[in-house]
Amino acid sequence: RKEVEQDPGPFNVPEGATVAFNCTYSNSASQSFFWYRQDCRKEPKLLMSVYSSGNEDGRFTAQLNRASQYISLLIRDSKLSDSATYLCVVNRGSTLGRLYFGRGTQLTVWP
Amino acid sequence: DADVTQTPRNRITKTGKRIMLECSQTKGHDRMYWYRQDPGLGLRLIYYSFDVKDINKGEISDGYSVSRQAQAKFSLSLESAIPNQTALYFCATSDVGTGEQYFGPGTRLTVT
Repeated sequence: RKEVEQDPGPFNVPEGATVAFNCTYSNSASQSFFWYRQDCRKEPKLLMSVYSSGNEDGRFTAQLNRASQYISLLIRDSKLSDSATYLCVVNRGSTLGRLYFGRGTQLTVWP
Repeated sequence: DADVTQTPRNRITKTGKRIMLECSQTKGHDRMYWYRQDPGLGLRLIYYSFDVKDINKGEISDGYSVSRQAQAKFSLSLESAIPNQTALYFCATSDVGTGEQYFGPGTRLTVT
């Protein structure tokens, strides 16, 4: 079983739409969770960390459900500039510092 | 200036050649990583280093070697390149406190 699994998409949504991405992780000892964004042929960049209580950064909301080993990212009021691949990333507690990446979910926002 | 730099940015080489990819960082992080990315396969870890004296194999280390010359420098070598090593290679560093990783711009390697 893969460490991190994501729906690869693609998700195609109009501007202004709300879209949600989901991710599951296999190791219950995982301690840190992140969402990264990757534009085509560019390096991944940290979008936001995911905290146990859930957290919000502008139009982006991340949630963590430890019992279900499930992470989500909600994007409200989608912009054309949100088009990218979103990577779910998990840090397994036993090897702190080593991250495990999902394959990514591709999002295209159209005008 | 970029915090994590990689050279070269693009490279075309022939099967059997030795090639080195270099990574430098100014973030002051002890931890550094090399990944490769292939379409549909996501990022896969090749090697990682938690400090200058520490080198660890990742998921796909066969055919690769690394050298940690200093805290700021971590290089990846392909001793005898083969076509299935054609990929996008990323170097990354991480903050011990948060675990967040910061990536270089990538090296696009083509082995013909």
